[in-house]
Amino acid sequence: DGGITQSPKYLFRKEGQNVTLSCEQNLNHDAMYWYRQDPGQGLRLIYYSQIVNDFQKGDIAEGYSVSREKKESFPLTVTSAQKNPTAFYLCASSPKTGFTEAFFGQGTRLTVV
Amino acid sequence: RKEVEQDPGPFNVPEGATVAFNCTYSNSASQSFFWYRQDCRKEPKLLMSVYSSGNEDGRFTAQLNRASQYISLLIRDSKLSDSATYLCVVKHGGLERSSASKIIFGSGTRLSIRP
Repeated sequence: DGGITQSPKYLFRKEGQNVTLSCEQNLNHDAMYWYRQDPGQGLRLIYYSQIVNDFQKGDIAEGYSVSREKKESFPLTVTSAQKNPTAFYLCASSPKTGFTEAFFGQGTRLTVV
Repeated sequence: RKEVEQDPGPFNVPEGATVAFNCTYSNSASQSFFWYRQDCRKEPKLLMSVYSSGNEDGRFTAQLNRASQYISLLIRDSKLSDSATYLCVVKHGGLERSSASKIIFGSGTRLSIRP
């Protein structure tokens, strides 16, 4: 079945550590997105990518990094520079053009301990 | 100012009631509009796209007003299962090969239906 897979579902990180969240899609979508959601809040855009080896900062990119070496994969690294990383992280993909919606993975809950 | 703003909610209405949400967007170049539904601790899922002429899907009706830059969602005969957070979503860019499409979410409106 086609879809977006995020892993792991739950992740615990010690303060000061970098951690990488995985996002893989087999929908052949060009565009991929990372969002952060805090309790009771909406989704805020971290990074997005249109094509391989290209990506743009969203509204809250500080403390995060991404790569897009393959069309199917868009991993997000939460670095030690992110001061408050505990949140629900959602990855999405969409065809680049056209009036089509984004499809989401099931999310990763990151907790700093 | 946020690119996409929604009624803050929460809305608490009795079963069978009609409820409406509004959403405004600031980028006049926005091309596509959607309503998503998000259940507690789950990923958002598409509820419906919003077309210029307005569209209906069962008990749900979506409207778009480009001149005033707002979209709306109307839920008729609300059910207990409609309790969720409703997210307004706007997409712009991506029409040219070199430009990236950007998808922006509103902060969501919580709806609670009581028996």
